[in-house]
Amino acid sequence: SQQGEEDPQALSIQEGENATMNCSYKTSINNLQWYRQNSGRGLVHLILIRSNEREKHSGRLRVTLDTSKKSSSLLITASRAADTASYFCATAPSNTGKLIFGQGTTLQVKP
Amino acid sequence: DAGVTQSPTHLIKTRGQQVTLRCSPKSGHDTVSWYQQALGQGPQFIFQYYEEEERQRGNFPDRFSGHQFPNYSSELNVNALLLGDSALYLCASSPGQAIILNTEAFFGQGTRLTVV
Repeated sequence: SQQGEEDPQALSIQEGENATMNCSYKTSINNLQWYRQNSGRGLVHLILIRSNEREKHSGRLRVTLDTSKKSSSLLITASRAADTASYFCATAPSNTGKLIFGQGTTLQVKP
Repeated sequence: DAGVTQSPTHLIKTRGQQVTLRCSPKSGHDTVSWYQQALGQGPQFIFQYYEEEERQRGNFPDRFSGHQFPNYSSELNVNALLLGDSALYLCASSPGQAIILNTEAFFGQGTRLTVV
């Protein structure tokens, strides 16, 4: 079963706008990771945030984590057409070595 | 440095048949995990191999089995294929015994299995 939910399921924006995706989860975690997937191919790792971190940046990406609310958000600033993809959050629950993925957010960036 | 490689990229099988998928982990990684991704869904954990043993398993039937070789490469076997086994099968590698996954997992491009 999926760990949690991602919101929205689909997002369509214009190039240059910001895109925000949210993720909620259910169990205690060791860390939370965001991945991108283009056209049903492999997953590309974007960023990992540990349970004791609240915010992390990587280039145009900003991730926040609120363990009290069991939620995370991914912000992509100044979006580009090449950012069009599906984005997944994945949690690494405490004491397991597996990743539990959400359903994903499909992002379309229009040129 | 080669990343995670999977073969084949596409496969079509008939119901009831058996299939073997292969994965070579990223250089320096010794833990391999397999995931199943149905169309429109997020990946679901099948199992994880470390030191040639299955260490953790998700909620998949015994028809799904695997193997890890001394060079850390891995195979996923699925017996008695069902139509519902049609999916993208992803292999991920990570360093060290991932009892607690503290690092990113590197994914291959996947094998698209179609069962007809």
